[in-house]
Amino acid sequence: AQKVTQAQTEISVVEKEDVTLDCVYETRDTTYYLFWYKQPPSGELVFLIRRNSFDEQNEISGRYSWNFQKSTSSFNFTITASQVVDSAVYFCALSVNYGQNFVFGPGTRLSVLP
Amino acid sequence: DGGITQSPKYLFRKEGQNVTLSCEQNLNHDAMYWYRQDPGQGLRLIYYSQIVNDFQKGDIAEGYSVSREKKESFPLTVTSAQKNPTAFYLCASSIREFNQPQHFGDGTRLSIL
Repeated sequence: AQKVTQAQTEISVVEKEDVTLDCVYETRDTTYYLFWYKQPPSGELVFLIRRNSFDEQNEISGRYSWNFQKSTSSFNFTITASQVVDSAVYFCALSVNYGQNFVFGPGTRLSVLP
Repeated sequence: DGGITQSPKYLFRKEGQNVTLSCEQNLNHDAMYWYRQDPGQGLRLIYYSQIVNDFQKGDIAEGYSVSREKKESFPLTVTSAQKNPTAFYLCASSIREFNQPQHFGDGTRLSIL
């Protein structure tokens, strides 16, 4: 069975601080995909990034960066120089090639204070 | 603009009443999904459909029903059998490949009167 754990339920930081959101996953499949989504107060989930199980290169997009480590089954998300607009709930998800595919973690609520 | 439209944004249900939540997409996606989100909780899958005229139960299908008569539409009915329907409901769609991201609508917030 697949499982995604986001151990941090809530995080509060002050604007301009860096923050890392943790994601740990479980699967026996060798081929899988990992995703991060952002859910702002408006409610819609916004897709941020996708990573496949064979690509362990870290990725940077502006203030966002992702660190994928198969050895620890982790796919962590770092926001550099956080801003108030980053305040949202962030979900990590795992997808495998059968069944209902997507498994979401419980989410981490990030509050960035001015 | 392509996207997913959920309606209504807010919905109120009386005891013993069935209500239907609408989900329409113009992304030409084969797969569609319904999730339930409770306050402070993650997403739980209610039903999903990989193709027209076919759908599968998710983790919490009891008290819900769906239909998929058209590719672009996947309505969810919350029946009176669902004893605790107050929640935020999200519809999503995707290309029918497991490596594809799901795209979400704005959600419908259902409350009991």
